[in-house]
Amino acid sequence: QSALTQPASVSGSPQQSITISCTGTSSDVGGYNYVSWYQQHPGKAPKVMIYDVSNRPSGVSNRFSGSKSGNTASLTISGLQAEDEADYYCSSYTSSATWVFGGGTKLTV
Amino acid sequence: EVQLVESGGGLIQPGGSLRLSCAASGFSVSNNYMSWVRQAPGRGLEWVSFIYSGGSPHYADSVKGRLTISRDNSKNTLYLQVNSLRVEDTAVYYCARILWRSWYFDLWGRGTLVTVSS
Repeated sequence: QSALTQPASVSGSPQQSITISCTGTSSDVGGYNYVSWYQQHPGKAPKVMIYDVSNRPSGVSNRFSGSKSGNTASLTISGLQAEDEADYYCSSYTSSATWVFGGGTKLTV
Repeated sequence: EVQLVESGGGLIQPGGSLRLSCAASGFSVSNNYMSWVRQAPGRGLEWVSFIYSGGSPHYADSVKGRLTISRDNSKNTLYLQVNSLRVEDTAVYYCARILWRSWYFDLWGRGTLVTVSS
């Protein structure tokens, strides 16, 4: 199972919006609405920010939103804040009843 | 408090074996899908394995045959037995709970570091 494809890095200024893409195949991203996004600060465990493509867990800011079109999912962060600076990973359930992660995107604010 | 706490990592020589533990509190591992995810230094997340009641464990192709996931319901603990360790197995190993039906990792431990080196 190949990793999902994410840009290595993105950057934005405070209050701007950015979008991170996550490209897979019809066996994972394109085949299921089970795409999730995780935020990871240095030395910390990942934290889920989006699940089921576009749902936010309780407590996650509504500045985070997700979407999907075909084999590509996207995470958008609006109103960028300094604390958003972190690594972001997408993940998808797959047709093999396994999970696959993206390579990760480093967000610089 | 609902949490996961991993232990058992350390420095081990290539070819060696290790058993990682993940103690759960605030919920039961027996009633949940549970998983291991690892992260090599400076690298991304890699799904490794999951287990659930009533079915066979699943493993990533990269570790199949060398890793065994299990749980002790009486101790409410998840385990990962890692055999024939390779340098490329060096990573922080996280245990995580999978939310059934939405299939995402909703609860993570802090991880335990495994370093494979001679």
